[in-house]
Amino acid sequence: QTVVTQEPSFSVSPGGTVTLTCGLSSGSVSTSYYPTWYQQTPGQAPRALIYSTNTRSSGVPDRFSGSILGNKAALTITGAQADDECDYYCVLYMGSGISVFGGGTKLTVL
Amino acid sequence: QLQLQESGPGLVKPSETLSLTCTVSGGSISSSDYYWGWIRQPPGKGLEWIASIYYSGSTYYNPSLKSRITISVDTSKNQFSLRLSSVTAADTAVYYCARTTYYYDSSGYTRRPFDYWGQGTLVTVSS
Repeated sequence: QTVVTQEPSFSVSPGGTVTLTCGLSSGSVSTSYYPTWYQQTPGQAPRALIYSTNTRSSGVPDRFSGSILGNKAALTITGAQADDECDYYCVLYMGSGISVFGGGTKLTVL
Repeated sequence: QLQLQESGPGLVKPSETLSLTCTVSGGSISSSDYYWGWIRQPPGKGLEWIASIYYSGSTYYNPSLKSRITISVDTSKNQFSLRLSSVTAADTAVYYCARTTYYYDSSGYTRRPFDYWGQGTLVTVSS
């Protein structure tokens, strides 16, 4: 079964830039997987940030951007702020109606 | 504004069947541009897609759960439902319902998975 991989944790300094990645246990992520990124704060439902690799969801600041870096999807946060500290998830579309989430990245801003 | 609301028992006994319903308001579940699905999150863990359904009744299941799950839709009530059989403690989780936007136009395919979410409901499996 395909596993979607994410860094379990990451740390960034306030005002800094961080890139989180979303890969596959076997193979490369491409735009055909419609990589999508979510932000989740404790006790809340996830909020979509980026669709289809690099399209920001309505209301998402342009500090958040998506791309393909090498063989992975990537979420880059520039000018990190304290309230960016939370969990980030990616999801990939495998075709045939099947979606697979990554394990999530816990981002610390300090 | 679209809203999704999960409902169902918060406690289910081991080996029994978990049943949840998602009520959609502020929009029609019968729109051709949307799919409707369930995602769960065990306490302190990550997200897991469970299943999705189209208003016509086409269903899509997580292969690892397929033998135990049934998703259905009731367009007359603007609701869709999940049944998960033979539950164990490992099925204890917050269960979310969510909408996926998916359509094709002159610009190509647009896919926005899980663009609207319910608030989630905690289901505990325990005797």
